[in-house]
Amino acid sequence: EDKVVQSPLSLVVHEGDTVTLNCSYEVTNFRSLLWYKQEKKAPTFLFMLTSSGIEKKSGRLSSILDKKELFSILNITATQTGDSAVYLCAEGSSNTGKLIFGQGTTLQVKP
Amino acid sequence: NAGVTQTPKFQVLKTGQSMTLQCAQDMNHNSMYWYRQDPGMGLRLIYYSASEGTTDKGEVPNGYNVSRLNKREFSLRLESAAPSQTSVYFCASSATFYEQYFGPGTRLTVT
Repeated sequence: EDKVVQSPLSLVVHEGDTVTLNCSYEVTNFRSLLWYKQEKKAPTFLFMLTSSGIEKKSGRLSSILDKKELFSILNITATQTGDSAVYLCAEGSSNTGKLIFGQGTTLQVKP
Repeated sequence: NAGVTQTPKFQVLKTGQSMTLQCAQDMNHNSMYWYRQDPGMGLRLIYYSASEGTTDKGEVPNGYNVSRLNKREFSLRLESAAPSQTSVYFCASSATFYEQYFGPGTRLTVT
């Protein structure tokens, strides 16, 4: 059964800190790994990764995939209070485009 | 361009009542999805529709039915609501194999 596990489940940091969120997966037919940010309402898309070793970057956020070890990390540098959110990792493994989500990591950034 | 819209935003039902959650997208996406989100459990797929005219079960389909009315609309029906169906429900759509876009969610309470 396909499975996605995120760690840590929650994290509290102070503004300016750098954080690393982890996502490991077990899939039978891997297609893509996606990261979403959820602040109170609907998840919003951050990154989609399909190839190992190629970093995706958007401002202070970056992510990379390791298809050999079956994990991805999401890095946030110089954190701000606006980064406080739940970060969701999901893998897309079927021909229908279905996603399997992890439990999410709740990040709180204190001033 | 509204993206993905859902109605209603909030709903309170008594055990045994029925209701339909509506979802529409204006991005001409082929695939649509219904998820539920419970504390600490990420997003779990209820049903999905890979294309107009097709629907299939996700991880947690029991107690729900769906209808893909046309390419734009995908509804979720609870025939006999139970307290275990208290949750936040999200609809999403995607051009298959790409990122999913989420609606604002429906907060459902079953008493």
